Amino acid sequence: GENVEQHPSTLSVQEGDSAVIKCTYSDSASNYFPWYKQELGKRPQLIIDIRSNVGEKKDQRIAVTLNKTAKHFSLHITETQPEDSAVYFCAATQGGSQGNLIFGKGTKLSVKP
Amino acid sequence: GAGVSQTPSNKVTEKGKYVELRCDPISGHTALYWYRQSLGQGPEFLIYFQGTGAADDSGLPNDRFFAVRPEGSVSTLKIQRTERGDSAVYLCASSFGTGADTQYFGPGTRLTVL
Repeated sequence: GENVEQHPSTLSVQEGDSAVIKCTYSDSASNYFPWYKQELGKRPQLIIDIRSNVGEKKDQRIAVTLNKTAKHFSLHITETQPEDSAVYFCAATQGGSQGNLIFGKGTKLSVKP
Repeated sequence: GAGVSQTPSNKVTEKGKYVELRCDPISGHTALYWYRQSLGQGPEFLIYFQGTGAADDSGLPNDRFFAVRPEGSVSTLKIQRTERGDSAVYLCASSFGTGADTQYFGPGTRLTVL
């Protein structure tokens, strides 16, 4: 089955710097890769996603890149702000037609003002 | 419109008791997912429904766990003979379809088994 590895587990940056979180997956049939942000005690919120027919996607300060050959994808946050502080999870679909997501263990991002 | 809702928000029970957790998906979403999240971990897949049927229940940890979605909307996750290790936040999500459709999460039910 699918396995998703996420690094780093914690990340501390200064406000205004960039943050990069990386994930690898094992199932070559996976075709959908969302990123979720979860604040303490809150539900996971989708911040960006990418499908396997695209190599890069950007939404304002957030971008995601996907390398299908190497089976890894990354989240890039530019011009970080204190409100970006949260736990970020990457995920991949289990197989091509399955809907269930396999999540990484999360990255706790701290943005220091 | 209304998002995914879950009730109760918190449930405290004693070891050995039976519990039911409810999920109301976004109206019109045909797919519904249950995940479990332990402290400091990512959500762990349990089961998902396409309409009324369980399309994949491979994540259910054992036969004490069961879920239903009789009318293709609301779903109930049922846990029999609860154990302390069942303590976690149980998250529900829904999506318009399956595969590469965005999943929207509910606020979760925090289950504590004493």
